[in-house]
Amino acid sequence: DIVMTQSPDSLAVSLGERATINCRSSQSVLYSSNNKNNLAWYQQRPGQPPKLLIYWASTRESGVPDRFSGSGSGTDFTLTISSLQAEDVAVYYCQQCHNIPWTFGQGTKVEIK
Amino acid sequence: QVQLQESGPGLVKPSQTLSLTCTVSGGSISSRSYFWSWIRQPAGKGLEWIGRIETGGRTNYNPSLKSRVTMSVDTSKNQFSLKLSSVTAADTAVYFCAREVVVAASTLLGNWGQGTLVTVSS
Repeated sequence: DIVMTQSPDSLAVSLGERATINCRSSQSVLYSSNNKNNLAWYQQRPGQPPKLLIYWASTRESGVPDRFSGSGSGTDFTLTISSLQAEDVAVYYCQQCHNIPWTFGQGTKVEIK
Repeated sequence: QVQLQESGPGLVKPSQTLSLTCTVSGGSISSRSYFWSWIRQPAGKGLEWIGRIETGGRTNYNPSLKSRVTMSVDTSKNQFSLKLSSVTAADTAVYFCAREVVVAASTLLGNWGQGTLVTVSS
């Protein structure tokens, strides 16, 4: 299985400030045929199911605010929230869809400082 | 907009079989380019992908659960189902159903049900 490791486990950021979450995969998730990374980011608010934010490591899902951005390739990825809003308090997960079984990072909890 | 809703017993006894159904509305479960998945989340913990099925019957299961998992689809009812046998307390979790869409050799868990808590206890 591909192991996904996120850092940090939690972070507290002031409203309007930047939040950065890292994700590392135990092997490359780059699909050479189309040069796309099979890496997605999800947001899970308390009591809610996960919501897809970003796929192909950097493509925002329709309707996701542009303060959310993803970057990285191969084995190292980053989710950035450029200006934290109150509604962004949640746990964020990275997930690889490169090899079955799909696997998730352990999650990063984002709170307001 | 497609919606998914899990249903099934909230309490299952140890060694018995957990059975859940996911009802899909707002779209046909027979549509191509989709897989229908189950994911679970123990309280306060992370997400574990259990497996998926397509309407042609092809399945992929997580090897860690493969010996205990069976998935099926009922296109006439627009539903798909999960059975997990020989459950223990470690199977206590919120179970989500989700739709995977295939996009350029990637699959995205784009739509999720609200989740249903299943507790394994005598």
